[in-house]
Amino acid sequence: GEDVEQSLFLSVREGDSSVINCTYTDSSSTYLYWYKQEPGAGLQLLTYIFSNMDMKQDQRLTVLLNKKDKHLSLRIADTQTGDSAIYFCAGESYGNKLVFGAGTILRVKS
Amino acid sequence: NAGVTQTPKFQVLKTGQSMTLQCAQDMNHNSMYWYRQDPGMGLRLIYYSASEGTTDKGEVPNGYNVSRLNKREFSLRLESAAPSQTSVYFCASSSPTGTGWPPLHFGNGTRLTVT
Repeated sequence: GEDVEQSLFLSVREGDSSVINCTYTDSSSTYLYWYKQEPGAGLQLLTYIFSNMDMKQDQRLTVLLNKKDKHLSLRIADTQTGDSAIYFCAGESYGNKLVFGAGTILRVKS
Repeated sequence: NAGVTQTPKFQVLKTGQSMTLQCAQDMNHNSMYWYRQDPGMGLRLIYYSASEGTTDKGEVPNGYNVSRLNKREFSLRLESAAPSQTSVYFCASSSPTGTGWPPLHFGNGTRLTVT
């Protein structure tokens, strides 16, 4: 089954770019996802990428997918204090289930 | 449109007590899920229900039971709570196509402490 790993903590200064990395094991996922969790809230879908794409850009967000290395990254340009949250990458598993990484805590210093 | 609603938001139990976490969705989704979130471990699937009338075990089902009451509601029951079940519990739902799209919609969670 799918296994997803990501680094646990990232600290950046306001205005800098943030890059959150993720590796996965199962290359059969049709989509790979990034979710954002703000304090005290549930997870909300931030962005996603279809598995036959290498890159997807959505305003300040850029998702890069390296299928050969099974590596997914999320870049946030001009990081703001409101971007402070936990970011989860997720891949698909059997039966329409998602498998999540442990989450990366992003701390933005003003 | 409320999406996925979980109750209660917070709960404190003593070891051995029982309780039921409630979840309801108003998006006409077939599939519903219960996850637990623990620091450094991400979200782990407890149970899921692919459609009304069916339930299946996930990664960490021990100590839990579920009921898919109807298409809207999916409850999680702790029969005899243990401190290891202290966690944040999330309910989620999705449409049934099996392609992974659209993705999961999450409730805001139930924060459970077992003393």
